[in-house]
Amino acid sequence: NAGVTQTPKFQVLKTGQSMTLQCAQDMNHEYMSWYRQDPGMGLRLIHYSVGAGITDQGEVPNGYNVSRSTTEDFPLRLLSAAPSQTSVYFCASSYRFSHEQFFGPGTRLTVL
Amino acid sequence: ELKVEQNPLFLSMQEGKNYTIYCNYSTTSDRLYWYRQDPGKSLESLFVLLSNGAVKQEGRLMASLDTKARLSTLHITAAVHDLSATYFCAVGLAPIRQGAQKLVFGQGTRLTINP
Repeated sequence: NAGVTQTPKFQVLKTGQSMTLQCAQDMNHEYMSWYRQDPGMGLRLIHYSVGAGITDQGEVPNGYNVSRSTTEDFPLRLLSAAPSQTSVYFCASSYRFSHEQFFGPGTRLTVL
Repeated sequence: ELKVEQNPLFLSMQEGKNYTIYCNYSTTSDRLYWYRQDPGKSLESLFVLLSNGAVKQEGRLMASLDTKARLSTLHITAAVHDLSATYFCAVGLAPIRQGAQKLVFGQGTRLTINP
């Protein structure tokens, strides 16, 4: 099993550009989520999904969209990148009601 | 709104010493998680604490949970250099809706252990 994979590892964008961060898992986990990590603030939940076709907002959803068309994939879209979205983004997955979440390796995004 | 605060945020200690990281949270929850993060890496799950009085130990690390005090501790015994990392606590938002394990993280404690 590859576990939770994220692409790309690094990305530099200009303000106003759009892009999609990819997240995939091969563990048949129902629950997937996106977090951003900023210095001194821990991780904050952006969006989450409890299954294909079901998504909901977390703590800091503004500026981000998600969709979940398959169990395996949970892409995060930045519609119009802003410097405030410079961060490290982590995707995580788990079985529903499970207490063990598996985190991906992260994507480091810089918005100029 | 659930707030999670860790103390201290930075900790530099010598090998062989003992120390404790504290994690306070503001509202009721009975799910507390500890993670480790090495520089530039992802998060690694250390402990899951699911009830008042829960205590778990792995090697030189021991975690405990007091839900009445809304406090968890991560105790390091006879520290070694390999334990240098950033440690996060995270509290599960209650109730769990449809199996969504929403977590609120503390700021992290950057631990440096010097030889």
